[in-house]
Amino acid sequence: EADIYQTPRYLVIGTGKKITLECSQTMGHDKMYWYQQDPGMELHLIHYSYGVNSTEKGDLSSESTVSRIRTEHFPLTLESARPSHTSQYLCASSVSGSSYEQYFGPGTRLTVT
Amino acid sequence: QKEVEQNSGPLSVPEGAIASLNCTYSDRGSQSFFWYRQYSGKSPELIMSIYSNGDKEDGRFTAQLNKASQYVSLLIRDSQPSDSATYLCAVNGGYSTLTFGKGTMLLVSP
Repeated sequence: EADIYQTPRYLVIGTGKKITLECSQTMGHDKMYWYQQDPGMELHLIHYSYGVNSTEKGDLSSESTVSRIRTEHFPLTLESARPSHTSQYLCASSVSGSSYEQYFGPGTRLTVT
Repeated sequence: QKEVEQNSGPLSVPEGAIASLNCTYSDRGSQSFFWYRQYSGKSPELIMSIYSNGDKEDGRFTAQLNKASQYVSLLIRDSQPSDSATYLCAVNGGYSTLTFGKGTMLLVSP
């Protein structure tokens, strides 16, 4: 079982604010991922990283940005939040090698008013 | 475009019955297959991984893989109300990513 943490768990913020969603894992996993999921809807990959200084865009176009300066930390930033950004954001990580098993954090539920 | 298809459900079964969840995938090159359970409002939890054709059993769960038919299934024996959740099928895509299906909602009635 992976130890992966996300903060905050819930965030209500006004339009135009800059926000950073934090994700940390203590398993030493090289790969990390951000997904977006609306209630009752499918998961959409928005960003991923193979390791330090590596970031890639996922399948779903997103106005957010990510960074990977340390192995254990993969924050997601929205420079100017909009109501359309209201969603659940899920962070996941996986170990290097041939296994593709991903382990998810508890998620951040973001509401932009 | 790699695709993973699941019946959205809900699949309703009585307590104690066997629940059968199915998934098909489009990429013949896929090698790794996963089932995740997601309770309402929670994050997905990995419950089964399968990498080779055949069956893999873990407690009340059995994953079945048929690469020739591009078909993965999950059987839940002795279903319990606590098994009521959405079950996501995931298949390895390119670049160490997973492609997730939309999920099947399972409802187990007491």
